[in-house]
Amino acid sequence: DQQVKQNSPSLSVQEGRISILNCDYTNSMFDYFLWYKKYPAEGPTFLISISSIKDKNEDGRFTVFLNKSAKHLSLHIVPSQPGDSAVYFCAASARTYKYIFGTGTRLKVLA
Amino acid sequence: DVKVTQSSRYLVKRTGEKVFLECVQDMDHENMFWYRQDPGLGLRLIYFSYDVKMKEKGDIPEGYSVSREKKERFSLILESASTNQTSMYLCASTLAGTGDTQYFGPGTRLTVL
Repeated sequence: DQQVKQNSPSLSVQEGRISILNCDYTNSMFDYFLWYKKYPAEGPTFLISISSIKDKNEDGRFTVFLNKSAKHLSLHIVPSQPGDSAVYFCAASARTYKYIFGTGTRLKVLA
Repeated sequence: DVKVTQSSRYLVKRTGEKVFLECVQDMDHENMFWYRQDPGLGLRLIYFSYDVKMKEKGDIPEGYSVSREKKERFSLILESASTNQTSMYLCASTLAGTGDTQYFGPGTRLTVL
């Protein structure tokens, strides 16, 4: 049973436009959420996080939104750049050491 | 900067061989993790360790074991490699506690023939 779902395996966006990556979860005990970016042949790198006491967290071009009632979070990248092309994973934790990862969304930013 | 290193970037082994994957972190992190990444399945937790000599099974521990004799080093062992263990293996570490950011190594692409 996939507790964290990224239903879009891929997304293409024009350079300069907004990229919106979505993530849904089923476990209401999750209280901390992270986004990671992964380039081919490299390990994932941390991008941005949000705790369940917030509904928005912003870091430069990256903003994560959390809708607890819908059990949904999204990552917005504005403006999108070609260097943002990568696979993006969302992950969730329920006050344990364990993180549950989604299956990833491959973002391609077209120049 | 946190650095997590993995002993090999690419590894090719034969079915039935014993395989050791090593991971070292240099930031005195308490917790270390082993994941495998497969297309369409994301990252799945194999084992994690919250202290020296302490370990807990993750979601897919079958066919794997781990060893943590020193705080900075966490080893993943495939006792008898099988073709369905062909995958990208990722090691990660976090400082301590829950909700901490995980820092990942570059990964080891293991192929079992």
